[in-house]
Amino acid sequence: QQQVKQSPQSLIVQKGGIPIINCAYENTAFDYFPWYQQFPGKGPALLIAIRPDVSEKKEGRFTISFNKSAKQFSLHIMDSQPGDSATYFCAASMLWSGKLIFGQGTTLQVKP
Amino acid sequence: DGGITQSPKYLFRKEGQNVTLSCEQNLNHDAMYWYRQDPGQGLRLIYYSQIVNDFQKGDIAEGYSVSREKKESFPLTVTSAQKNPTAFYLCASSLAEERHEAFFGQGTRLTVV
Repeated sequence: QQQVKQSPQSLIVQKGGIPIINCAYENTAFDYFPWYQQFPGKGPALLIAIRPDVSEKKEGRFTISFNKSAKQFSLHIMDSQPGDSATYFCAASMLWSGKLIFGQGTTLQVKP
Repeated sequence: DGGITQSPKYLFRKEGQNVTLSCEQNLNHDAMYWYRQDPGQGLRLIYYSQIVNDFQKGDIAEGYSVSREKKESFPLTVTSAQKNPTAFYLCASSLAEERHEAFFGQGTRLTVV
């Protein structure tokens, strides 16, 4: 029940395309859903996060869509650029806890 | 500059030896965490500490040990009891009132030969 399932494992899009990465969770006690971006050999960096009281959040070209009833959330990258090529992790936690449960990661390649 | 410093970046050890990974932060964060990352898997929590002199096991604590004697430091020891220690190790920290917002270090890649 603590798992977060992420798909796809890898994704290739052309520059300007809109890659979509999906995550699903089981534990309804989770109340914080961040996305992290990781470049090779580096630590993950917080990209954007959402709480379950909203269905969508946008920050620049990155959008999280959240479906509480389906227990799913997804990351959309608008007008993707080669510099967006990285591994993306979704995660879930309870706000008071600080313990992040991560998805398996999606390696995104944006071709020029 | 504030941040989390992990050292060394690369570490090679012989099988059967204990090894200690360093993690230092100057963000004045209360909570610190250790995660392990393996190819094709997400990050898995090893240990975490919410305050000095206190820490709790995460999901994969077997074969690891930690200490939290200072707020700034949270070293991780990979012991010989850890069956498959080769991995990328990531340290993170967060404020007590913003526990969910974790900031990560650059990681240590440990290779056991």
